[in-house]
Amino acid sequence: GNSVTQMEGPVTLSEEAFLTINCTYTATGYPSLFWYVQYPGEGLQLLLKATKADDKGSNKGFEATYRKETTSFHLEKGSVQVSDSAVYFCALRSNSGNTPLVFGKGTRLSVIA
Amino acid sequence: SAVISQKPSRDICQRGTSLTIQCQVDSQVTMMFWYRQQPGQSLTLIATANQGSEATYESGFVIDKFPISRPNLTFSTLTVSNMSPEDSSIYLCSVDGGYLSGNTIYFGEGSWLTVV
Repeated sequence: GNSVTQMEGPVTLSEEAFLTINCTYTATGYPSLFWYVQYPGEGLQLLLKATKADDKGSNKGFEATYRKETTSFHLEKGSVQVSDSAVYFCALRSNSGNTPLVFGKGTRLSVIA
Repeated sequence: SAVISQKPSRDICQRGTSLTIQCQVDSQVTMMFWYRQQPGQSLTLIATANQGSEATYESGFVIDKFPISRPNLTFSTLTVSNMSPEDSSIYLCSVDGGYLSGNTIYFGEGSWLTVV
């Protein structure tokens, strides 16, 4: 079945540091890939997405590129801020039919000033 | 994107009682999904709810414990029955935004339940 593996947290960075959160997936066919963010005390928000190989999703300074050859969708940001402290979830959705999201376990990011 | 409202946003519930969570969407959607997020954990799918048909439950979740209604294309409810402390979780309603959204799934703010 489909699955998502993302790096274990927590991750603690200083403000303005470079962020990478690794995400790899296992899926049949060509799924759509997503990053969701959950700020403290809130629900899930879509951060970015990519629907086909080599697509780059970007939002709020975050980027992730759909790499079919390595089955990866790593999240990156060049300079993190304290306000980026949150839990980040990588997820995939099969494009074959109306299927739910499959989530990774989440990575907690703490950014300190 | 779809705007999803959930009620209640938070509640403290007594052991053995039941609570119904409401999910209202600002547009008509075919597919709705209910997830549970236990403290410090990722999201686990409870069931898929399509209008006009019975909900489809994932392994480990049963209709007697988590009955779901889907009376129309903009509304759904999830009931957590006979609650125990292990049911303390965030319950999230989500919807398929459809083809124009790139089949993106959008989430409500969640219902944070604590069972005492």
